[in-house]
Amino acid sequence: DTGVSQDPRHKITKRGQNVTFRCDPISEHNRLYWYRQTLGQGPEFLTYFQNEAQLEKSRLLSDRFSAERPKGSFSTLEIQRTEQGDSAMYLCASSRGQGETQYFGPGTRLLVL
Amino acid sequence: AQSVTQPDIHITVSEGASLELRCNYSYGATPYLFWYVQSPGQGLQLLLKYFSGDTLVQGIKGFEAEFKRSQSSFNLRKPSVHWSDAAEYFCAVGPYTGTASKLTFGTGTRLQVTL
Repeated sequence: DTGVSQDPRHKITKRGQNVTFRCDPISEHNRLYWYRQTLGQGPEFLTYFQNEAQLEKSRLLSDRFSAERPKGSFSTLEIQRTEQGDSAMYLCASSRGQGETQYFGPGTRLLVL
Repeated sequence: AQSVTQPDIHITVSEGASLELRCNYSYGATPYLFWYVQSPGQGLQLLLKYFSGDTLVQGIKGFEAEFKRSQSSFNLRKPSVHWSDAAEYFCAVGPYTGTASKLTFGTGTRLQVTL
């Protein structure tokens, strides 16, 4: 059990650029979650997958955001045409299933200039 | 809708003193309750969780929490704080049944420990 990993850990980009983050969950965890955390706030739910199926999306996830989990393994979160308001920590978590504990990765900190 | 309130934004305690961090939740059914800790620039580490059963739960690093249904509270306690406990603490609530899985977090309590 190597834990949840995320890449990159830090990303600085200019407004209008596209960025993509990767999350590798704990092996055999079939649920994967994305959260966003802004300064001074708790994490806010964005979306989650059960295996490769995206089952729920928050209203926070605008049309510029897209997430995938091909083959039910790793996941990517892409933000198109980034805005300064997208600056945040993006956290990934995984769990064995419904109601099971969510284990978090170290996060990707995004700064949009 | 589920929600979590952590009324204390910032708490300072002396090393060796006892600690209690407050958490109140709103949820229509039996909740899952969690406490996570976050060090600066890091992800969240699970301290403890309550699903059912004994309302006093033990966690890692000497932490414990008590679920009080009548008060909708899940306060975190530690009898003697260590300097390494300085971090941000988040209480979270999740669904017990159904297909939804998201956790709802409070805004966090930042703990400062003085030597």
